[in-house]
Amino acid sequence: GGIITQTPKFLIGQEGQKLTLKCQQNFNHDTMYWYRQDSGKGLRLIYYSITENDLQKGDLSEGYDASREKKSSFSLTVTSAQKNEMAVFLCASSIWDWGGGSQNTLYFGAGTRLSVL
Amino acid sequence: GEQVEQLPSILRVQEGSSASINCTYENSASNYFPWYKQEPGENPKLIIDIRSNMERKQTQGLIVLLDKKAKRFSLHITDTQPGDSAMYFCAANNAGAKLTFGGGTRLTVRP
Repeated sequence: GGIITQTPKFLIGQEGQKLTLKCQQNFNHDTMYWYRQDSGKGLRLIYYSITENDLQKGDLSEGYDASREKKSSFSLTVTSAQKNEMAVFLCASSIWDWGGGSQNTLYFGAGTRLSVL
Repeated sequence: GEQVEQLPSILRVQEGSSASINCTYENSASNYFPWYKQEPGENPKLIIDIRSNMERKQTQGLIVLLDKKAKRFSLHITDTQPGDSAMYFCAANNAGAKLTFGGGTRLTVRP
């Protein structure tokens, strides 16, 4: 088995601040994702990365940057935190079987809970 | 981008009855449709998935149906138990590895 570690678990920021969230996985998965989950709502894709050094925009990429420094790590930057913003940011990884096999399970980390004062 | 619509957003059923959640997607090239369950305070976990070469899949009290023509897929939980109470999310892939989730269904199973 493997594990996805997200740091920090809790992040309190100030309006306008640049904030960085980190994600590490030891599954040796190629594909990694960042999703945002607002309270009681669905998951919205911010960025994903098919392999090391690859970066693909999701549906919610505006206001965020991402970086896939190496295969095991994927970081997300909130470029300018919005006042009263509260959300959970979930990182996930997957083998992603392009041949249509059974390996497309996304494994999620525990999340980073963001509050902006 | 791909939109995945999920209904209902809230579902309350009696223990022992069945629960159904429906999703629609836009991209006819989508070929992978997973369902995730998220319990309070936990992260989402895959419970069942279906590929576009299938119309029906069943495992342990869960049934998923896929209608490619209508771009619709659904999850049916038979003989619901209180432990089935959770948030459920459908998803569809778009252009390969891009996985878009629906808005979620909060299922409550009453004893």
